[in-house]
Amino acid sequence: QQQVKQSPQSLIVQKGGISIINCAYENTAFDYFPWYQQFPGKGPALLIAIRPDVSEKKEGRFTISFNKSAKQFSLHIMDSQPGDSATYFCAASRSGGGADGLTFGKGTHLIIQP
Amino acid sequence: NAGVMQNPRHLVRRRGQEARLRCSPMKGHSHVYWYRQLPEEGLKFMVYLQKENIIDESGMPKERFSAEFPKEGPSILRIQQVVRGDSAAYFCASSREGVGTEAFFGQGTRLTVV
Repeated sequence: QQQVKQSPQSLIVQKGGISIINCAYENTAFDYFPWYQQFPGKGPALLIAIRPDVSEKKEGRFTISFNKSAKQFSLHIMDSQPGDSATYFCAASRSGGGADGLTFGKGTHLIIQP
Repeated sequence: NAGVMQNPRHLVRRRGQEARLRCSPMKGHSHVYWYRQLPEEGLKFMVYLQKENIIDESGMPKERFSAEFPKEGPSILRIQQVVRGDSAAYFCASSREGVGTEAFFGQGTRLTVV
């Protein structure tokens, strides 16, 4: 049973455009929703995270939108740059933070075309 | 200020051998997490340890896998009698504390079982 579903599997966006990646979860006990960025041969790096008491969080060009009633959250990358090309993972846990028991989506391969 | 150090980066084992993966957390971090990543899949949680204690091993296979985080030295993930299905990238993360603190991932150990 996949508890966090991520889409799309791959995404191509023109430089300067908006990249949007979506995730849906099933477990209402989840209370921490991070996004990770992973480059080939590297470990995942935390990009931005949100808790269910807010509907949106913005850090620079990265924004998480959170819809608790729909059990969905999404990552928006504004003014996408070629350096943003990577694999992005959404995740969820019920531990309030940290890396205990994170359930990851399957990832989105993002390519930003110059 | 080194990050999370994992070694070896690549490990090749024949079926039936033992694999030992090491993880040295960031300085000042006393919490360690192990995750496994199969090709084209998200990361799957395995185990969460503090110094000398296993806090959550809900993701660990019941047989052949064990983990420890001794008072001195790195955390070790041990896989006995490896099989082809154990081939994956194994990532370690560490955090200063557990709940509510950011965890940082290492670059992973890529295990290949031949």
